[in-house]
Amino acid sequence: NAGVTQTPKFQVLKTGQSMTLQCAQDMNHEYMSWYRQDPGMGLRLIHYSVGAGITDQGEVPNGYNVSRSTTEDFPLRLLLAAPSQTSVYFCASSPSGTETQYFGPGTRLLVL
Amino acid sequence: GIQVEQSPPDLILQEGANSTLRCNFSDSVNNLQWFHQNPWGQLINLFYIPSGTKQNGRLSATTVATERYSLLYISSSQTTDSGVYFCAVIQGAQKLVFGQGTRLTINP
Repeated sequence: NAGVTQTPKFQVLKTGQSMTLQCAQDMNHEYMSWYRQDPGMGLRLIHYSVGAGITDQGEVPNGYNVSRSTTEDFPLRLLLAAPSQTSVYFCASSPSGTETQYFGPGTRLLVL
Repeated sequence: GIQVEQSPPDLILQEGANSTLRCNFSDSVNNLQWFHQNPWGQLINLFYIPSGTKQNGRLSATTVATERYSLLYISSSQTTDSGVYFCAVIQGAQKLVFGQGTRLTINP
């Protein structure tokens, strides 16, 4: 199993550009989530999904969109990138939301 | 929402020393996990421990759910133990809430 994979590893955007961060898992987990980590801080939840077709907002959802069309994939979209979205983004999955969560390697995003 | 506080924020030790990291949380929880974030940024699962005690090699963890705290013990520290240790909890609605972390530096 590859576990949780994320692409790209690193991305530079200009303010106002859009992009999609990809996340995939091959463990048949129902629960998937996106977090951001800012310098010196813990991770904060952006959006999560309890299964295909179901998504919900986390602590910091503004500026981000998600969808979940398959069990395996959970992309995160930035429609109008802003410098405040410069961060490291982690995707995670779990058999259910209350069990052990497994994290991907992260995507470093710099918005100029 | 639930508050998660970790202490100490920073810890510097010599190789071979033992350490105890603490995580306090403000309400009852369904899930508590400890993670190690290595210097390359990778998050590594250490323990899933909503209650009780678990051990894995030189690491062990204890959660006392009724008193709302968890402890992570690292014995005979190695330089590879350096990094940031995070405690994270879930209360109810499947949202993992992280503490601010303890930055551990092990000097050779």
